[in-house]
Amino acid sequence: GAVVSQHPSRVICKSGTSVKIECRSLDFQATTMFWYRQFPKQSLMLMATSNEGSKATYEQGVEKDKFLINHASLTLSTLTVTSAHPEDSSFYICSALQGQEQFFGPGTRLTVL
Amino acid sequence: EDQVTQSPEALRLQEGESSSLNCSYTVSGLRGLFWYRQDPGKGPEFLFTLYSAGEEKEKERLKATLTKKESFLHITAPKPEDSATYLCAVQAWDSSYKLIFGSGTRLLVRP
Repeated sequence: GAVVSQHPSRVICKSGTSVKIECRSLDFQATTMFWYRQFPKQSLMLMATSNEGSKATYEQGVEKDKFLINHASLTLSTLTVTSAHPEDSSFYICSALQGQEQFFGPGTRLTVL
Repeated sequence: EDQVTQSPEALRLQEGESSSLNCSYTVSGLRGLFWYRQDPGKGPEFLFTLYSAGEEKEKERLKATLTKKESFLHITAPKPEDSATYLCAVQAWDSSYKLIFGSGTRLLVRP
C-alpha cells in the first residue's frame, strides 16, 4: 500500500516553455500532498503544500506564479513550471500524506536547455 | 528554529560490519521522527516512524531508536544492497505535517 506515482520521470524542455508534472496516490486518497526539489548531493527542499480543493501554501522564497500547483482531486496534484529556465533544472519529488506519514513518488528529472 | 543534523555525512562499511547512523534534532514539540532510504535518482522510501523517546522499531537489518535529542539507525551485518542515502526528518506539532529533513548519510557497503 501507500504507492505514489509521478509522470513524467524525465523531461527535457527549451527555455521559456512550461512543463507539467503529475503526482498521483494510487491506492489511497490524499487531501494533502507536498512538492519538493532536490539538487545533486543535497537533501530535499520543500517547495509547497498542496491541499485538495484549496490554494497551495508556498514556502518562503518559492515563486507561486512560477510554480503553479493544482490539487483538483483526492488522488492527483500537478506542478507546472512556467517559463522554465536552466536554473529550474532539478529533481522534483512529490509526496502524499497518509495519516502522519508522507509517501514519496519516484521523482521527475527536469532539464531545461 | 527546528533543525535536523545527520552524521556522518558518508560511511563506508565492509559487508557484515555493523554500525550506526546518527540524527540529532531540535524541534518545538516533536510529533514524529521519520527515517527514509533514498537510492540515486529515486524518491525516498519510507522506513520508520518514531513518536516518543524510548521507542524502537526494526525492519530486517535496520533498527531505529529515539531519545529526546537524537535518533539512531543501527545497521546490523549490512549487505551491499543496503548501500543508499539514509534521510532523517522531523515533524513538529505545529507544522501542518511538514517534514524538516537532515542532509542525509551516504552509506556504501562493500562486498
